[in-house]
Amino acid sequence: QVQLQESGPGLVKPSQTLSLTCTVSGGSISSGSYYWSWIRQPAGKGLEWIGRIYTSGSTNYNPSLKSRVTISVDTSKNQFSLKLSSVTAADTAVYYCAREETYGDYVDYWGQGTLVTVSS
Amino acid sequence: QSALTQPPSASGSPGQSVTISCTGTSSDGGDYNYVSWYQQHPGKVPKLMIYEVSKRPSGVPDRFSGSKSGNTASLTVSGLQAEDEADYYCSSYAGSNNYVVFGGGTKLTVL
Repeated sequence: QVQLQESGPGLVKPSQTLSLTCTVSGGSISSGSYYWSWIRQPAGKGLEWIGRIYTSGSTNYNPSLKSRVTISVDTSKNQFSLKLSSVTAADTAVYYCAREETYGDYVDYWGQGTLVTVSS
Repeated sequence: QSALTQPPSASGSPGQSVTISCTGTSSDGGDYNYVSWYQQHPGKVPKLMIYEVSKRPSGVPDRFSGSKSGNTASLTVSGLQAEDEADYYCSSYAGSNNYVVFGGGTKLTVL
């Protein structure tokens, strides 16, 4: 059973960079045909897809966030990471890491989510 | 930019059926063939209910079904139960833009 766990600071100051890591257990991040994704949800609002990475290192990003987002993968640690630069209060949200099937583009496993608040 | 439009709310009585729509609006000609649906109870992690328009993951009751006509996908919940009350989100690959988009979500109320 694949499990994903987000980690990182819960509080980030405006204009700084939000950094989160997702640790995958129960399977190798390099095996199978999967994307490793980040999705966020502001309180009381809907889901927003941020971006994803394939184990080859290729990435896709939400066009609305592309200029500020970097997703990377460390296969030796079975982890992938999110960096979101120049954050504002609008970036306050629960951030989920997830496994996404390459054929069908659906998420079959989610992390528990981590709340990141942007505030001075 | 691509977008998926859902009604903000839907409701039905126990035992009834309700259908939630998800309409794609795209300037890139995306056909939204890879539509998936997620259920999210308050404070919980979203759960995959339907993928590839109409396929159900193992463990999802067959009361949940999906379909698609043109640029509109639909999730139908038959034999509504109190536990079906939740937010539902559709999602799809957004064609040639090579990214994924979520609908705004529909709050399903079981009356």
